Amino acid sequence: AAGVIQSPRHLIKEKRETATLKCYPIPRHDTVYWYQQGPGQDPQFLISFYEKMQSDKGSIPDRFSAQQFSDYHSELNMSSLELGDSALYFCASRRTGTPYEQYFGPGTRLTVT
Amino acid sequence: AQKVTQAQTEISVVEKEDVTLDCVYETRDTTYYLFWYKQPPSGELVFLIRRNSFDEQNEISGRYSWNFQKSTSSFNFTITASQVVDSAVYFCALSEAGQAGTALIFGKGTTLSVSS
Repeated sequence: AAGVIQSPRHLIKEKRETATLKCYPIPRHDTVYWYQQGPGQDPQFLISFYEKMQSDKGSIPDRFSAQQFSDYHSELNMSSLELGDSALYFCASRRTGTPYEQYFGPGTRLTVT
Repeated sequence: AQKVTQAQTEISVVEKEDVTLDCVYETRDTTYYLFWYKQPPSGELVFLIRRNSFDEQNEISGRYSWNFQKSTSSFNFTITASQVVDSAVYFCALSEAGQAGTALIFGKGTTLSVSS
């Protein structure tokens, strides 16, 4: 079965640089979620989109922005990167109207040096 | 406010032992969903189970079983006859109903180490 695709899988950036993470949800899934998981931490919700509109917002820094496109893929844009942004970034998708489980992608490991 | 507490930070067992991972949650909603996810050393988050607040039936799937008790706001996870491949971080999570964008609130996770 198709799964959530995230790219790139690994990314190394320097402080103050920008990064763009991409997420391709499972086909027919209309809701996308972004989570950030720091080392040894639990995943923290950043932002979500439903039918290309932002539906919920968590602890996303102002330096980050995200959007969902017409084909339902989503991108997380991160600017002025800081060392503390080093983390595993997960995208998850869900189809509204179905049971509430979110299916997670493999994650993008971002390292800021 | 929603909160998920996994009091056990780390558990170490020997293969074939049974182990129970505890999860206690807080929510003011009457309709909510509880989940368990497994995160092996490779890093991905693997969905294990979802339980609706209105369904208190316990569930068994192979060596895994889950005990949901609304009276104590607990959703515990038991692995019977543990195996080395069960070594992972296990997260309990809560989601409230009502909006398409409802996010998962995770507990801090329990690291399970199974030795041979």
